[in-house]
Amino acid sequence: AQSVTQPDIHITVSEGASLELRCNYSYGATPYLFWYVQSPGQGLQLLLKYFSGDTLVQGIKGFEAEFKRSQSSFNLRKPSVHWSDAAEYFCAVGIMEYGNKLVFGAGTILRVKS
Amino acid sequence: GAVVSQHPSRVICKSGTSVKIECRSLDFQATTMFWYRQFPKQSLMLMATSNEGSKATYEQGVEKDKFLINHASLTLSTLTVTSAHPEDSSFYICSARDNRADTEAFFGQGTRLTVV
Repeated sequence: AQSVTQPDIHITVSEGASLELRCNYSYGATPYLFWYVQSPGQGLQLLLKYFSGDTLVQGIKGFEAEFKRSQSSFNLRKPSVHWSDAAEYFCAVGIMEYGNKLVFGAGTILRVKS
Repeated sequence: GAVVSQHPSRVICKSGTSVKIECRSLDFQATTMFWYRQFPKQSLMLMATSNEGSKATYEQGVEKDKFLINHASLTLSTLTVTSAHPEDSSFYICSARDNRADTEAFFGQGTRLTVV
């Protein structure tokens, strides 16, 4: 069965420091991969997505992610974190044979300390 | 960009009553919409896939008679929580897949349901 693992429930980084959020997936075919961000009580905002092509994907707000097939990973990175980046981040895999429904990871809560 | 409007954003209802949540794609047509549920401090779990003009496909363990889904047009899907109980209190989020680009679905802002 398809699954997404985000091993870090909480991460705290200092403002200005670099960030990497981990995501591993289990899926038999070539995956469609997504990273979303959610502020408390809000819906989801798409940060970036990977469908094919260049394995390093650029997103909004200075985020990027790298698809590594050999490691079944799609880690999210940002070189310098801002206080406004504090939120919860979800990695998801799209199951294309079921209309691209999404299977989400458990989420990682990012705290930014000044 | 594609906009999905979900209404209401918050609703409080009494036990035993029914609540309807609407999900609208404002600037695109969506044959397929998805309904997710998010428990506090947890991830999103897909409840059902809503298909315009046909019956919804429910995920295992989701009661279809409890969570009624109607997708009567290419821009509107509704989720009705029937005979609501406190354990139905949750955050419900819909997403809609643009017919012109089926690789991505766009999310609404969610509905916080509280059953008292």
